[in-house]
Amino acid sequence: KAGVTQTPRYLIKTRGQQVTLSCSPISGHRSVSWYQQTPGQGLQFLFEYFSETQRNKGNFPGRFSGRQFSNSRSEMNVSTLELGDSALYLCASSFRLAGAQETQYFGPGTRLLVL
Amino acid sequence: AQSVTQLDSQVPVFEEAPVELRCNYSSSVSVYLFWYVQYPNQGLQLLLKYLSGSTLVKGINGFEAEFNKSQTSFHLRKPSVHISDTAEYFCAVSLSSGGSYIPTFGRGTSLIVHP
Repeated sequence: KAGVTQTPRYLIKTRGQQVTLSCSPISGHRSVSWYQQTPGQGLQFLFEYFSETQRNKGNFPGRFSGRQFSNSRSEMNVSTLELGDSALYLCASSFRLAGAQETQYFGPGTRLLVL
Repeated sequence: AQSVTQLDSQVPVFEEAPVELRCNYSSSVSVYLFWYVQYPNQGLQLLLKYLSGSTLVKGINGFEAEFNKSQTSFHLRKPSVHISDTAEYFCAVSLSSGGSYIPTFGRGTSLIVHP
């Protein structure tokens, strides 16, 4: 069974631009969560989508948004990029709505560099 | 709000030696606890989790952790490490009630195994 895939793996953008990252969950998984990992702030939860609906959201500004399609693939968008948005963005999928009982499987991440 | 403190940012150890990675948490309500491992250029992988029951939790790759409620700790241990255990380890906590799964992560401990 294929794992969680994220595209692109690496991305360079400049301040003020916007970016869209993609995540394809494990086949059959309906929940997709996004995390941001930076040296300064560590790992932080962004949001979770389940059955095309945002179910939970972390403490991030409105520039960070996402969506989920009917095939469970998810995209994350960051508008008006700032230098501090440089990070590794991780996607995780699970069969059911994410919870302590439900194991999340992580993709390798997309490394975004904002210049 | 809950928080997680990983007391050591880096732990060097020789191969076949035992290791303990320390994690303390702070929360006014009951929590679930997790340990994840991140190998270079990869996403996170769940090592083990404590939800309830026995305070000694066994995970994958020979790791185990002990939940100590009085000391609010969840230290990770392995009796004999291998070179392949070199990675970043993250402790995480989530609330055990309320429905939403929004994990809070520690800053990570880099385990470096020397031959």
